[in-house]
Amino acid sequence: GAVVSQHPSWVICKSGTSVKIECRSLDFQATTMFWYRQFPKQSLMLMATSNEGSKATYEQGVEKDKFLINHASLTLSTLTVTSAHPEDSSFYICSARSLGGFYEQYFGPGTRLTVT
Amino acid sequence: GENVEQHPSTLSVQEGDSAVIKCTYSDSASNYFPWYKQELGKRPQLIIDIRSNVGEKKDQRIAVTLNKTAKHFSLHITETQPEDSAVYFCAAPKGPNFGNEKLTFGTGTRLTIIP
Repeated sequence: GAVVSQHPSWVICKSGTSVKIECRSLDFQATTMFWYRQFPKQSLMLMATSNEGSKATYEQGVEKDKFLINHASLTLSTLTVTSAHPEDSSFYICSARSLGGFYEQYFGPGTRLTVT
Repeated sequence: GENVEQHPSTLSVQEGDSAVIKCTYSDSASNYFPWYKQELGKRPQLIIDIRSNVGEKKDQRIAVTLNKTAKHFSLHITETQPEDSAVYFCAAPKGPNFGNEKLTFGTGTRLTIIP
């Protein structure tokens, strides 16, 4: 149980284009999903908290107009990187917290984004 | 907000020996402490967690201890095996407010098991 999928696993895009990343909880309902960014050999940096049916809450320093988050259902959240630039290249990971669960977060496999 | 410090940043142990990783936290109201294992290029996996109402929890070769007074918790891996090599992250929530489930992660410990 507690399986989270993420799609795509990797993507290469050109500067100025937008990229959408999907995060799905496969066998449980997730009231809350989280989006993280991870640089090589570094820790997980929380970008935003996504709650089903409401606006995402962004961490300080994260541009909400650049990183658009939508949590349309209890099993799906999407992150869209708009007008991507090379500095947006990173490993993006989502996690999900199950409905009725405690603080446990289950992570997706991550998406490697490369902006050329 | 919660501040989580993790030590050491790297750790090498001989196969079969024990490994201990320690984290300290700042928010005395924190009540949940998970440990994640992340292999290269893969997702963090929850390996063990502990709630503040207990002082120790074990799962086979892995254990976590919690000292609420000192505000630190530790991961113990016994009889280490090569497959234990990975980066380990500790985490703590920002407090017992169930409306705020964000976790603050430690900086990670790269554990290498020497055959």
